[in-house]
Amino acid sequence: GQQVMQIPQYQHVQEGEDFTTYCNSSTTLSNIQWYKQRPGGHPVFLIQLVKSGEVKKQKRLTFQFGEAKKNSSLHITATQTTDVGTYFCAGSGRGSTLGRLYFGRGTQLTVWP
Amino acid sequence: DGGITQSPKYLFRKEGQNVTLSCEQNLNHDAMYWYRQDPGQGLRLIYYSQIVNDFQKGDIAEGYSVSREKKESFPLTVTSAQKNPTAFYLCASSIVAGGSIEAFFGQGTRLTVV
Repeated sequence: GQQVMQIPQYQHVQEGEDFTTYCNSSTTLSNIQWYKQRPGGHPVFLIQLVKSGEVKKQKRLTFQFGEAKKNSSLHITATQTTDVGTYFCAGSGRGSTLGRLYFGRGTQLTVWP
Repeated sequence: DGGITQSPKYLFRKEGQNVTLSCEQNLNHDAMYWYRQDPGQGLRLIYYSQIVNDFQKGDIAEGYSVSREKKESFPLTVTSAQKNPTAFYLCASSIVAGGSIEAFFGQGTRLTVV
C-alpha cells in the first residue's frame, strides 16, 4: 500500500539554527499537506502543496513539493522556541482512496534557548 | 463556534470493557476520520468515512468499530478485542473537493485501560 516516510524522527537544535524535515512517498501524490502538533495538543493544518515543484513560504517556514510529486520538505529558518512540536507531512490518496490522508511518522523538534 | 469536538478528554476503563469515544463536527464536512497516536508512531488510521452510512477500514481497524448514521457524528468503539487500547485517539474531519483535503482535528481523547 501507499506509504509516506518522514525523516528525521527527532531533531534537537539551538535557537537560531535552521531545521529541515523531509517526506518521501512510495507513489505519486495528488497533493501534500503539513501539520504541526504542539506538545499535548492536536495536529493543526499548516499548508497544502498541489503543483509539481511548488514552493510556498510562511514567514520563516518554506515548504517544497518535488517535481515528481513524491517528496516534500519543510525548512524553518532561525528556529525559535515557539517552533517546538512535531511536524507531520500527509499525502492524499488517489482514485478510490482520494478521501484518505497518509501521514508520515512526524519529526519531533526540540529547540534549546 | 464551528469545530470538531471530542469527548471526553480523558477516559479510564477496566480491561475487557467496551468503550465508545464521541466525535461531533458542525463544519458540514463530508469526511471523518479516526486516528490512533502512540509515542514515536505518528498517526495511524483506524477508520474513515467519506459519506453517511459508509466507512472504510484503515491500517489498524482490528478491535475497533464505527458508525456514521449522521453527517455530524462518527463515534468510535474500542472493543475488548483490541489488545492494547491505551493510546491517544484523534478524530478529524475534512471536505474532499477537487482532491484538496484539509483535515481539522479534535482535541483528542486519552484512553487508559487498566
